[in-house]
Amino acid sequence: GQNIDQPTEMTATEGAIVQINCTYQTSGFNGLFWYQQHAGEAPTFLSYNVLDGLEEKGRFSSFLSRSKGYSYLLLKELQMKDSASYLCASGGGANNLFFGTGTRLTVIP
Amino acid sequence: DVKVTQSSRYLVKRTGEKVFLECVQDMDHENMFWYRQDPGLGLRLIYFSYDVKMKEKGDIPEGYSVSREKKERFSLILESASTNQTSMYLCAAGSFAFFGQGTRLTVV
Repeated sequence: GQNIDQPTEMTATEGAIVQINCTYQTSGFNGLFWYQQHAGEAPTFLSYNVLDGLEEKGRFSSFLSRSKGYSYLLLKELQMKDSASYLCASGGGANNLFFGTGTRLTVIP
Repeated sequence: DVKVTQSSRYLVKRTGEKVFLECVQDMDHENMFWYRQDPGLGLRLIYFSYDVKMKEKGDIPEGYSVSREKKERFSLILESASTNQTSMYLCAAGSFAFFGQGTRLTVV
């Protein structure tokens, strides 16, 4: 079976750092994806990890541990525009994605 | 990046109507996907396609069909729309699933 768990909601302060965790159980693992989705808009691709370790891209970083079935998205120097839902998705063996239900992040002043 | 365009941003259809949702991508990518997104359920895969005239069922194909006659176009068809198909429909293309802007469909 396939399952992805991530917190439903998080709140953080502008300028701070926030870590959004994701645990997954999927068959035919082919990578872990993170997307950002603002309310009423489509998801936009943020990052992709296929090997263990940390991938850094500007203010956003993503980490993967395949042995633990665990990933996190790290957002630094939070800005108000970072308020959005963050979707964790695991790539299946058929090269399609299985999504979690997303974490709604609210950034407060 | 792949650019993905969906034909409509908002649609209102009546129960029993046949509905076509069109999606076009501009990067000649083999993979295309149709998802629906509902509150509390996340994105669920309806159908996907790896090539022209090729289609595979996703997790929730019931009540839907698809067509891929050209590589750049992937259409989702609701043969007889029902109120439980009211949802946000998202088309995606490419290995990293670049999404179109979404179609919010309301069936009344």
